[in-house]
Amino acid sequence: DTGVSQNPRHKITKRGQNVTFRCDPISEHNRLYWYRQTLGQGPEFLTYFQNEAQLEKSRLLSDRFSAERPKGSFSTLEIQRTEQGDSAMYLCASSFAQNQPQHFGDGTRLSIL
Amino acid sequence: QKEVEQNSGPLSVPEGAIASLNCTYSDRGSQSFFWYRQYSGKSPELIMFIYSNGDKEDGRFTAQLNKASQYVSLLIRDSQPSDSATYLCAGGEGSTLGRLYFGRGTQLTVWP
Repeated sequence: DTGVSQNPRHKITKRGQNVTFRCDPISEHNRLYWYRQTLGQGPEFLTYFQNEAQLEKSRLLSDRFSAERPKGSFSTLEIQRTEQGDSAMYLCASSFAQNQPQHFGDGTRLSIL
Repeated sequence: QKEVEQNSGPLSVPEGAIASLNCTYSDRGSQSFFWYRQYSGKSPELIMFIYSNGDKEDGRFTAQLNKASQYVSLLIRDSQPSDSATYLCAGGEGSTLGRLYFGRGTQLTVWP
């Protein structure tokens, strides 16, 4: 059983550029979550999907952020016009159902120059 | 604002000792609680989860939940240097939503 897969592992970009991250959940997990983690903090919830439906978005998620899960399998998280404050580890997790344990991928570390 | 608070740490214990990690939560509606271990520069790894009051044991790990006191703890018996990491406590919402609320983590060091 493969785990949650995230790509790329690292992304370095200049301020103002757009970036896109991909997450492949554990197969048969219909829930997929995005979190963001900065140094010294616990992960903060961004958004989540049940199958292809995006059911909740955090107030942290400005209109520069968009997430999709078009076929209920993999998901993408796009950040437009990146800012210095977007530098963080972006974590994807999946679970089989509500309140079931969430399993995290290795994350994508974003650095904004 | 739902919150999870963890004892600030850092916590340092000798090899073979019991490490005790604690957290409290603000949302009485929370139904599920999770402990994750996170090594420096890595992603969180699930260690334990608990849904009911009382104790749940898995190998060297015991999770304890007291819903009346809104308190969750993790005990690590026979601590090993490889247990040195940051431990994150997370609560799951009691509604139909699925987000987790994380504490800031407690850094544990087990010295030989």
